[in-house]
Amino acid sequence: EDQVTQSPEALRLQEGESSSLNCSYTVSGLRGLFWYRQDPGKGPEFLFTLYSAGEEKEKERLKATLTKKESFLHITAPKPEDSATYLCAVQALYNFNKFYFGSGTKLNVKP
Amino acid sequence: DAGITQSPRHKVTETGTPVTLRCHQTENHRYMYWYRQDPGHGLRLIHYSYGVKDTDKGEVSDGYSVSRSKTEDFLLTLESATSSQTSVYFCAISESHGMNEQFFGPGTRLTVL
Repeated sequence: EDQVTQSPEALRLQEGESSSLNCSYTVSGLRGLFWYRQDPGKGPEFLFTLYSAGEEKEKERLKATLTKKESFLHITAPKPEDSATYLCAVQALYNFNKFYFGSGTKLNVKP
Repeated sequence: DAGITQSPRHKVTETGTPVTLRCHQTENHRYMYWYRQDPGHGLRLIHYSYGVKDTDKGEVSDGYSVSRSKTEDFLLTLESATSSQTSVYFCAISESHGMNEQFFGPGTRLTVL
């Protein structure tokens, strides 16, 4: 069964304490993997798209990496404004209609 | 921010009543999507559109219908709302079907009593 699992469900960090969020997926052929950020009461905001194993993308304190089975979102020296829920989604290669979202990791960065 | 609006933003209705949610875009993107977001389930695709009058089902389409008579508007209708359809509904747009990112609207919180 195609699915996306994100871990941990919640993560509390001190400001400046680097960490990583995990997104593991099982899909028969990956067309693309997407990372989004979602603030409370708002729609998801696009961060990155990754297409092939070994690919990496960076934006400010965030870096996304992709392997054949999972993706990591590395957060370096986070700030309180990085607090949000981070969502991972995959699109299947065999059926472009299939988008699978994980349940997200809720990140709380304390000052 | 991508020009996407959703209306209404909040709605409370009773079981059995029809409900229509509207998504409006000013980006002229071809693809439009309706998702629902529930705790523990993440975002799930309900229906999507790949052009005017062209729509297709997503993962959780039962009990929902959609229409797209203009490029900029995508309507989601619950013909007879049920309590299981209480959720937050998000509209998204995309230039292409997955090769580009999707931009999401602000969401509609629907409560069915």
